[in-house]
Amino acid sequence: DTAVSQTPKYLVTQMGNDKSIKCEQNLGHDTMYWYKQDSKKFLKIMFSYNNKELIINETVPNRFSPKSPDKAHLNLHINSLELGDSAVYFCASSQGARGQFFGPGTRLTVL
Amino acid sequence: GDSVTQMEGPVTLSEEAFLTINCTYTATGYPSLFWYVQYPGEGLQLLLKATKADDKGSNKGFEATYRKETTSFHLEKGSVQVSDSAVYFCALSAPQYSGGGADGLTFGKGTHLIIQP
Repeated sequence: DTAVSQTPKYLVTQMGNDKSIKCEQNLGHDTMYWYKQDSKKFLKIMFSYNNKELIINETVPNRFSPKSPDKAHLNLHINSLELGDSAVYFCASSQGARGQFFGPGTRLTVL
Repeated sequence: GDSVTQMEGPVTLSEEAFLTINCTYTATGYPSLFWYVQYPGEGLQLLLKATKADDKGSNKGFEATYRKETTSFHLEKGSVQVSDSAVYFCALSAPQYSGGGADGLTFGKGTHLIIQP
């Protein structure tokens, strides 16, 4: 019973390509998030969605766009990939103040 | 803005040693505080949390107490095991919107803990 799942686990692509990462949660949570973890393991929030509305949009490039077809899914689309986009991307979900539950991560490598 | 500062590692201890990982924070209002653990190659797991001053979070032998007067949330464990080797993240959640309910986490930089047999 995976609570928060992401696909793919690994993604290797060339600069300039467009790619998507999918996220699904089966916890019934109202809010979902995307985080970026850099090579030094530093985590920073990118977006959150609450009931299909974008709530937080940190200063990330507009090449990144979250899309939520329903409450259980939050996908991340990245256009014109750059070398600096290489990182591990984590999806998470939460309900109230109970803490956030994270997916296993997607390691993106841009060549 | 909000920030979390935690001791940087790696922290290397022998099995059965006492563990303390320091964490202090800066935030407006009254944040909720969390410790997450990340094992190699895995995602983050919520270890424990505290939502108000003087609350003590505990799980799997780990404890942390929300100290508002010192703005701290130090992680402790009385006797560590090799299986505790991981990266530990302190984090806070503070309401950023008047409507509330969608709080992103602000993380510290993580502390790499290595337990030797």
